[in-house]
Amino acid sequence: QQQVRQSPQSLTVWEGETAILNCSYEDSTFDYFPWYRLFPGESPALLIAIRPVSNKKEDGRFTIFFNKREKKLSLHITDSQPGDSATYFCAAKKGGGSNYKLTFGKGTLLTVTP
Amino acid sequence: ETAVFQTPNYHVTQVGNEVSFNCKQTLGHDTMYWYKQDSKKLLKIMFSYNNKQLIVNETVPRRFSPQSSDKAHLNLRIKSVEPEDSAVYLCASSWDWGGYEQYFGPGTRLTVL
Repeated sequence: QQQVRQSPQSLTVWEGETAILNCSYEDSTFDYFPWYRLFPGESPALLIAIRPVSNKKEDGRFTIFFNKREKKLSLHITDSQPGDSATYFCAAKKGGGSNYKLTFGKGTLLTVTP
Repeated sequence: ETAVFQTPNYHVTQVGNEVSFNCKQTLGHDTMYWYKQDSKKLLKIMFSYNNKQLIVNETVPRRFSPQSSDKAHLNLRIKSVEPEDSAVYLCASSWDWGGYEQYFGPGTRLTVL
């Protein structure tokens, strides 16, 4: 059973538009939600993360909106640039102790067209 | 700047062979991980290693074994590879046992013929 789901599988937007990437999860004990970005041929890199105490986290053009009640979150990329084209992974982790495991979604492939 | 290093980048081998992948991190992190990324791009944790304490994901076949000489190195050995082992293997590290802010290496792509 996929505990972290992402949609859409792929997304194409025009340069300057806002890209919206969706993520949902099953386990209500998850307490940390990072987004990783993967460029072809490179390593996944942590982009931005949020914890359920907040419903919004902003870093430049990247914003996470979090809805704990519905177990959903989304990553908004405003003023999308061709350089944002990559695969974006939503992940989740349980809190406390040695709960080290990150559970990843399958990713959303974002293409930003000039 | 890359701080989690993996070798080799690619490896092609035949069913039944043994392979070893190396991982080194220069971040001074205490915890290291191995992930498998399958053909559907799904990343799944395989192992976590912290201060000589190993946690194994229960779904990992026994032919996989991690090997660590110190906290900066975590290698992966596969005793007798199977076709389903073809994947990208990603090494990662984090400051502590909690697994927050994991930094990934570039991956090793394994192809089993």
